[in-house]
Amino acid sequence: EAGVAQSPRYKIIEKRQSVAFWCNPISGHATLYWYQQILGQGPKLLIQFQNNGVVDDSQLPKDRFSAERLKGVDSTLKIQPAKLEDSAVYLCASSQRGPTDTQYFGPGTRLTVL
Amino acid sequence: AQSVSQHNHHVILSEAASLELGCNYSYGGTVNLFWYVQYPGQHLQLLLKYFSGDPLVKGIKGFEAEFIKSKFSFNLRKPSVQWSDTAEYFCAFTGTASKLTFGTGTRLQVTL
Repeated sequence: EAGVAQSPRYKIIEKRQSVAFWCNPISGHATLYWYQQILGQGPKLLIQFQNNGVVDDSQLPKDRFSAERLKGVDSTLKIQPAKLEDSAVYLCASSQRGPTDTQYFGPGTRLTVL
Repeated sequence: AQSVSQHNHHVILSEAASLELGCNYSYGGTVNLFWYVQYPGQHLQLLLKYFSGDPLVKGIKGFEAEFIKSKFSFNLRKPSVQWSDTAEYFCAFTGTASKLTFGTGTRLQVTL
């Protein structure tokens, strides 16, 4: 079974620029998650989708971050404009049903904002 | 707010030593508990999980964890570590909010 795919793997941008990350979850998984992992911390949930709909985006900084899940499959996460404190690894994960199911993580995108 | 504390940030052990990593959660209701592991250069992956029943849970690679409800703890153990256990270990849980909350992680380094 193919795992969760993410691209790009690395991205370096200057502050105030925009950036987008892409995620392709495991086939058939209804729930998709985006996490932000700052160096030295554990992953923090940014947004959770169940099929097409948003289940939880309470920790998403909506003034600069946006996310969508296209046709209940792929997802993109965008930051516009980026700030220095957005430097982190952005992880995508998916699970068959909800968050109590095993979540399968992708390799992550390491974002550096200069 | 729900939270997880992992008290050991960096642990160094020799091969064959016993391991116990602490995890305490802050939440008043029913919880589902997890340990995830990230080996060097690999994805974050599930090590073991507890939902209900026997509070002693066995996972992959000889790891186990014990849920002690009265102490709000879910410590990870392994009787004899191997060099290949070098990794970062994350405790996590979900409550009724159904959001997976992670601890800050413990970096385990096993020396030969």
